[in-house]
Order: sequence, then C-alpha cells, then structure tokens
Amino acid sequence: LAKTTQPISMDSYEGQEVNITCSHNNIATNDYITWYQQFPSQGPRFIIQGYKTKVTNEVASLFIPADRKSSTLSLPRVSLSDTAVYYCLVGGYNKLIFGAGTRLAVHP
Amino acid sequence: DSGVTQTPKHLITATGQRVTLRCSPRSGDLSVYWYQQSLDQGLQFLIQYYNGEERAKGNILERFSAQQFPDLHSELNLSSLELGDSALYFCASSVEGAPSGINTGELFFGEGSRLTVL
Repeated sequence: LAKTTQPISMDSYEGQEVNITCSHNNIATNDYITWYQQFPSQGPRFIIQGYKTKVTNEVASLFIPADRKSSTLSLPRVSLSDTAVYYCLVGGYNKLIFGAGTRLAVHP
Repeated sequence: DSGVTQTPKHLITATGQRVTLRCSPRSGDLSVYWYQQSLDQGLQFLIQYYNGEERAKGNILERFSAQQFPDLHSELNLSSLELGDSALYFCASSVEGAPSGINTGELFFGEGSRLTVL
C-alpha cells in the first residue's frame, strides 16, 4: 500500500483558497487517489477522487501531476464550515489505511 | 445520509464486559470495513469483509472479532473490554472490494458507535 504524507495542520481565513498537498511516492499503477473530510464525531465523507491530471466537482478540485507521486486538494473560497480533518488515501479497497490527515482550521 | 446504518449509537459498559456493534451496509455494497477512532486519534483500520469472507485484517486485537452475514450486515464483537477500548467505531461499505476489483477506494461511512468503557 502506498504510504501518504500530508501536513499535520493548516490555517486559513474565510474566502481564501486552500491547497493541501499529499505525497505518495510509491503509488501503484492501478491506484486511485481519494480525499475524505471528517468533522468531529462523524464518519469521514468522500470529497473527490482522481487518477491523473485534474478532477473538479462542486466542492473541490484535485490536481495530480504526470508522475502521480503527489496530489493537491484545492478548496476554493473556504468557509468556517470547512474546518475539518482532510485525509488523502491511495490504494485499493483492501486495508484502506487512513493517515493522520491534515487538520484545517478556517478563521473568520 | 451515507446509507450505512450503525447500532447502537452510544454504548456505556464496564471493563471485562463484551459488546456487539452492528452495521448494515448500503444497499448493494458487498464490502464492509471496520475502523476504530480513539479520542483525537486517526482512523485505525481493523478488518474488512467482502461478501461474507474476511478480505483484509489490520490492527485488530485478538479480543475483537467480526463477521459478515449472508444478508451482508456485519457485527464487530469486542470482549474483555478495557478502558483503552473506549472509542468511536466506524463501519464503512463499498460496492467493490474483491482483489481483482478496480482500486477506486470510495467508502461510505456510518455515523459510528461511541463506546465508553468505565
């Protein structure tokens, strides 16, 4: 399984764009990159998933360079409600391992 | 609402006791995963079942066991409980999960069962 590395924490202000980068140097050919969001005392929630290049949905964008050894989750114009822990996962279904995640704090 | 149902939502018990946590996956999902999250800790993968069979095992203690039934619901049994077992236990489900499946990795999590051991 590909090991992931993310910043432990980040701070931002309302209205700013936030970019969280995840390193996954030993990603396998068949692996997808998936990001989850977790609020306190709630289960993680799927945000976005990609394989290569760029993926965009209604809440975020995911940028993946050609070598796929890293990925960047981009949250446009964050609000206070985006304060949460964000997890980057790489790999298949089996033994899906969550790392420590990035604790994002959005300030007024 | 993820479609994954976990019961009970809260459970308080004493050390040495045994509890069973239940999970009903989303309709059509064949894989069930169990995770443990202690206070301010990350999600620890415990075990995965696919269509009734154990598929992968993580940091699951010998005092813990799980199974997935023919109707695809799953139960996590925790025995000889210790204070350190107090945590949120999450169940997740996914459509796929067979070894030959596409590695898309999208999981749908329930709201968790909060276990407090006194």
